[in-house]
Amino acid sequence: QKEVEQNSGPLSVPEGAIASLNCTYSDRGSQSFFWYRQYSGKSPELIMSIYSNGDKEDGRFTAQLNKASQYVSLLIRDSQPSDSATYLCAVNKGNFNKFYFGSGTKLNVKP
Amino acid sequence: DVKVTQSSRYLVKRTGEKVFLECVQDMDHENMFWYRQDPGLGLRLIYFSYDVKMKEKGDIPEGYSVSREKKERFSLILESTSTNQTSMYLCASSSSGPWFHEQFFGPGTRLTVL
Repeated sequence: QKEVEQNSGPLSVPEGAIASLNCTYSDRGSQSFFWYRQYSGKSPELIMSIYSNGDKEDGRFTAQLNKASQYVSLLIRDSQPSDSATYLCAVNKGNFNKFYFGSGTKLNVKP
Repeated sequence: DVKVTQSSRYLVKRTGEKVFLECVQDMDHENMFWYRQDPGLGLRLIYFSYDVKMKEKGDIPEGYSVSREKKERFSLILESTSTNQTSMYLCASSSSGPWFHEQFFGPGTRLTVL
């Protein structure tokens, strides 16, 4: 079983819609959770972090964490073509800040 | 802004050659990491370091070694390259402390081994 699982997509949404990206993790002791955006040929860029159950909003992005169900999600409101990228979910279990990454979900936002 | 730089963006090597990839961060971070990224396999941790001269194996250390002589530099060494080491190599750094800190990535090095 993988530590972190994501649907590879692609997820296609029209411009202006809400994009919903999901991630599940296997270790119930995981401590912190991150979403990275990666454009083709570029390195991952952090967009959200979340540590406690519930929602965390930052602009058009909302991260949601449910530790009981062991899933993390990222909502992107008013999706723009510039949001088209691969989104990586990362989980930290608390040991030396070692992260476990999902394989990523490719998002396509159609104009 | 945190800045992580890597010595090369693109490298082409022949099988058996030695490769030295260097990563430098300017934010005084304690932790540094080397990953490789391959389609369908995601990011896989090769080695990481939590202090100068300290190193820990990640999930796929075979065929690689690392060196951290100074806090800001973390080097990945491929002693004798093979074609299955063709990949994107990403360096990252993060700070330590009582809370969990995000990792910041360098621009990556795309290595092709012929």
